[in-house]
Amino acid sequence: KNEVEQSPQNLTAQEGEFITINCSYSVGISALHWLQQHPGGGIVSLFMLSSGKKKHGRLIATINIQEKHSSLHITASHPRDSAVYICAVSFKDDKIIFGKGTRLHILP
Amino acid sequence: GAGVSQSPRYKVAKRGQDVALRCDPISGHVSLFWYQQALGQGPEFLTYFQNEAQLDKSGLPSDRFFAERPEGSVSTLKIQRTQQEDSAVYLCASSLSRDSLTFNQPQHFGDGTRLSIL
Repeated sequence: KNEVEQSPQNLTAQEGEFITINCSYSVGISALHWLQQHPGGGIVSLFMLSSGKKKHGRLIATINIQEKHSSLHITASHPRDSAVYICAVSFKDDKIIFGKGTRLHILP
Repeated sequence: GAGVSQSPRYKVAKRGQDVALRCDPISGHVSLFWYQQALGQGPEFLTYFQNEAQLDKSGLPSDRFFAERPEGSVSTLKIQRTQQEDSAVYLCASSLSRDSLTFNQPQHFGDGTRLSIL
C-alpha cells in the first residue's frame, strides 16, 4: 500500500519567510500533485510533476524520483498563502492517493 | 462558470435518511472522480468513471454508497440509510484523461458538498 507522508502537519510563519513543505511516498508513481485547499473546501491544482522542478510565480515544486520525495517551496510568503497544502500521487490508472495536508498560516 | 459544479453545497440530514449529491463536471471531461474528506484529513478515493462506465468503486465504504453517471456527464453519489460516520466533505473532480495514453491529466475539483448527519 502506498503511503503519502507530509511534513510538517502545521506551519506558522511570518510574512516574507521562505516556506518549505515536504512530501514522501513509498511506491512508484506516475505523477505527483501539489494542491491547495482554502477554508470552505475548494481544491486548486498547483503543480503536477513527474520529474525535476516546476515554478509558477512564487511557488516552486521539486521531485526526486529516486528518493521518492517532493518539496513545495513558497518564496516571499504572504498571508493570502494561508491554506492547506496537499501532496497527492497518481498511478497509471489515474487513481490518486492524498496526503493529510499541511496547514500553513502566514502572519502579517 | 466553466468549472466543476457540485450541489448542494451543504446538506444536513437525519441519521437513516437517504441523500443524493450531484456533480456537474467540466464539459468534455471524460473522467470523473468522487472523494470523501473527513475533517482534518486528506481526501480519500471513493469511485471513478470513464464516461458512463464505473471503472473502479473500490473506495466506496459500504453497499450504502452508490454512484452513477448514466449519460457520461452529470454524476450522482447516493448514500442510503445515512450514518453519523458518513459526515464529511464529498469532493468531485473531472479530467480529460480517457485512456492509458492520456492518463495523468490534471484533475479539476469542485468546491465539495459538506454533509452533516445528525
